Amino acid sequence: QLHLQESGPGLAKPSETLSLTCSVSGDAITDINYYWGWIRQPPGEGLEWIGTIYYTGGTYYHPSLNSRVTISIDKSKNQFSLRLKSVTAADTATYYCARVPLDGDYADHWGQGTPVTVSS
Amino acid sequence: EIVLTQSPGALSLSLGESATLSCRASHSVSSSGLAWYQQKPGQAPRLLIYDASNRATGIPDRFSGSGSGTDFTLTISRLEPEDFAVYSCQQYGSSPPTFGRGTKVEIK
Repeated sequence: QLHLQESGPGLAKPSETLSLTCSVSGDAITDINYYWGWIRQPPGEGLEWIGTIYYTGGTYYHPSLNSRVTISIDKSKNQFSLRLKSVTAADTATYYCARVPLDGDYADHWGQGTPVTVSS
Repeated sequence: EIVLTQSPGALSLSLGESATLSCRASHSVSSSGLAWYQQKPGQAPRLLIYDASNRATGIPDRFSGSGSGTDFTLTISRLEPEDFAVYSCQQYGSSPPTFGRGTKVEIK
C-alpha cells in the first residue's frame, strides 16, 4: 500500500530556506508511470501546485515559484525533497507531497501534510 | 493561468439528499483535464474524480463528475455522513495546474 510521509522543520525564519523531505513506501520512486510532486495550502486558503519531479531528475515548477524552488530526488532512499529559498510569511502553509500520474497533473495519493510557519 | 471558480461556497444538505457542485474555468480546460478532491478537517485531500468524469480507485459510484470546456460539475447522490467535507476542483489541462477555493458541504 502506497504511503507518503513528509518530514522537516515546522518553523522557518524569513529569508531562510525551507527544506522538506517526502519518504515513499509501497511504490518505487523510479516507477516510470508517475511524477512526484509538492502542493501547499496556506491557512484557510485553496491548494497551490508547487512542482513535480520525474525519477530521471526532470522537473516542473510553478512559474511564480520558479526562481526560489528546487525539487530533488534520492532514488537510493526512495525519497524526494523540496527546497524553497528566501521564504516570507506568505510561504506559511501546510505542505503536501503527492504522487502524480504521468498522464495528468493531478495527485492520486497524498502525504498527510506538514505545517510550516514562517516567522521570526 | 486558468482561474477556477467554485459555487456555491457552502451547501447545507440532509443525509440522503443529492449535492451538485459547480466548477467554472476562466478559459477552456483542454483534454477535460479536471479533477475533484475531497478534504476533511486536518486531513489530506483525497482524489475523487480525474479527467472530468473518471472515478478514482475505491471511490463509490454515488460520486460522479461531468462537464467539459469551462463548466464542470461534481454530483454526490444520496449523501452519507462521511461525505460532509470540502470539495475542490483542479485543472491540469493547462500549465500551471490550478485549484478552486472549494465548496463546503455541511449537514443541515
